[in-house]
Amino acid sequence: KNQVEQSPQSLIILEGKNCTLQCNYTVSPFSNLRWYKQDTGRGPVSLTIMTFSENTKSNGRYTATLDADTKQSSLHITASQLSDSASYICVVSAGSNDYKLSFGAGTTVTVRA
Amino acid sequence: GAVVSQHPSWVICKSGTSVKIECRSLDFQATTMFWYRQFPKQSLMLMATSNEGSKATYEQGVEKDKFLINHASLTLSTLTVTSAHPEDSSFYICSARDTVGRYEQYFGPGTRLTVT
Repeated sequence: KNQVEQSPQSLIILEGKNCTLQCNYTVSPFSNLRWYKQDTGRGPVSLTIMTFSENTKSNGRYTATLDADTKQSSLHITASQLSDSASYICVVSAGSNDYKLSFGAGTTVTVRA
Repeated sequence: GAVVSQHPSWVICKSGTSVKIECRSLDFQATTMFWYRQFPKQSLMLMATSNEGSKATYEQGVEKDKFLINHASLTLSTLTVTSAHPEDSSFYICSARDTVGRYEQYFGPGTRLTVT
């Protein structure tokens, strides 16, 4: 069964600090891995998408890494801002059926002033 | 960029009534749209895949007669919750697949359904 596990479940950080979120997956065959940001009461917004051959991808203060051998990914948030408070969801797409997405439970990030 | 809209953004209805939710791709054509349901503090769960001009494909455990999906055009899919009950209260999110380029899925802003 394709699974995506995220850690931690939630975290609180001070404004201006950095944090790293983790994602482990067992989806096979692998097609791509995406990180989404979901504000409360809103739909997910794509931050990054990485294929098998990509190790890292940045989007502003967000940097995602991918290790396809160990099936791990991380999302690093640099110099956090209050607006970064949201749920961050790791989503993995299976190669056999690219539209079938496997969702992690998300990590809730709270940034405090 | 690709934009997906949903209408309404929130709705309150009485038990036993039906509610229709619209999902539109505003600046691209989407032959495939997806409907998800999300309960509080949980991740998105795929309910069904909607293909333009054909019947929707429902995930296991999702009642097709209760959640009616129509994808009549390349930019519009609708989800109708029939005979709604309080347990149907949830956050419903649609996404549309861009058939040009990298097959990215773009999510709508969601619809909060509360059944009283």
